[in-house]
Amino acid sequence: GNSVTQMEGPVTLSEEAFLTINCTYTATGYPSLFWYVQYPGEGLQLLLKATKADDKGSNKGFEATYRKETTSFHLEKGSVQVSDSAVYFCALSQEIWGAGTKLIIKP
Amino acid sequence: NAGVTQTPKFRILKIGQSMTLQCAQDMNHNYMYWYRQDPGMGLKLIYYSVGAGITDKGEVPNGYNVSRSTTEDFPLRLELAAPSQTSVYFCASSDLGDRVNTGELFFGEGSRLTVL
Repeated sequence: GNSVTQMEGPVTLSEEAFLTINCTYTATGYPSLFWYVQYPGEGLQLLLKATKADDKGSNKGFEATYRKETTSFHLEKGSVQVSDSAVYFCALSQEIWGAGTKLIIKP
Repeated sequence: NAGVTQTPKFRILKIGQSMTLQCAQDMNHNYMYWYRQDPGMGLKLIYYSVGAGITDKGEVPNGYNVSRSTTEDFPLRLELAAPSQTSVYFCASSDLGDRVNTGELFFGEGSRLTVL
């Protein structure tokens, strides 16, 4: 069946470091892929999405490319800030969700 | 800008007790959803609704009931609480998509339930 595997956390980085959070999936058909973010004390918010192969979603300096050949949708950011500290969720068609990756950015 | 409001934020129940988690949205969205999140796991869909008067089961509906009498409200009822229902519950709404598809989901802040 369909599944999503996300990199385990917590991921701890220094400010201005490069970020990658891995997400791989198994699916039949051509699902849409999503990244949601949950800041402390808040609900989940859509960060970015991609609806077909080779699409790149981007928002707030974050990017992820829908790679059908590697069944991946890795989240990247070139220079993280303390304010990026949150839990990040990868989702397949918003039906199958990863377990979340906690990101901690130290000043 | 209330968005999706869930109450209560925290609750402790004894085994066998009943309770209702409230969810309200003020965005006039047709689609509403209840998820649960167990420690170290992804979200699991419990129930969803595509409009007032229409509800349907998700992946893990056993032990829960829902109703959708208005567009705004989508309460989740636990009839006989069990320890396996200890979890964080999220309500969400969307204005697009048949089920949970490409439309952006707007989430409440979550309700942490412990059953002892």
